[in-house]
Amino acid sequence: EPEVTQTPSHQVTQMGQEVILRCVPISNHLYFYWYRQILGQKVEFLVSFYNNEISEKSEIFDDQFSVERPDGSNFTLKIRSTKLEDSAMYFCANGEGQGRYNEQFFGPGTRLTVL
Amino acid sequence: AQSVTQLGSHVSVSEGALVLLRCNYSSSVPPYLFWYVQYPNQGLQLLLKYTSAATLVKGINGFEAEFKKSETSFHLTKPSAHMSDAAEYFCAVRRGGSQGNLIFGKGTKLSVKP
Repeated sequence: EPEVTQTPSHQVTQMGQEVILRCVPISNHLYFYWYRQILGQKVEFLVSFYNNEISEKSEIFDDQFSVERPDGSNFTLKIRSTKLEDSAMYFCANGEGQGRYNEQFFGPGTRLTVL
Repeated sequence: AQSVTQLGSHVSVSEGALVLLRCNYSSSVPPYLFWYVQYPNQGLQLLLKYTSAATLVKGINGFEAEFKKSETSFHLTKPSAHMSDAAEYFCAVRRGGSQGNLIFGKGTKLSVKP
């Protein structure tokens, strides 16, 4: 079964540093999403991406965040200057986008720890 | 605005007992509802989804959920718990169209005692 993969599985960084989280989506699934889960809290939507542009973004997704598909396959989330409160599990999700009941396929997540 | 509420952050059952995980939704339009499961150190895996074809939805691993519009509920059940069912379960509603983002509940951690 096709699956979404994410790298790295765990990233530790110093406050103020830039991090890039990477996601390899399922081939031919054209809708991309990033979610995050702060420890002990619910999974929250960050941003959706389609046709090389942002479709929707939440209020969490401020100017410190950016997304892109640099090589047409990988999908990345960049945090420009990390803060302590960015520590969370970040999930990439991927959907076909066709049909009313289509699902989103999630990657295993990247645990980001900001010190 | 759409939302889901999961009652009970932690549910503990004995092996072989009924599993009932509660989810109530709020939506002004027909909801697109999902249950996901997260095993330790893994991503979110789809258990089942409501498609309006039937109010009782069967998913993987013996789980099922019943959509009750009058109660705005989509509770997840399994007749007989297995040790391997221990995980965290998330109810979600999709916002907007077919490519809308998911809005998750806080999750319910299921423990299964031998």
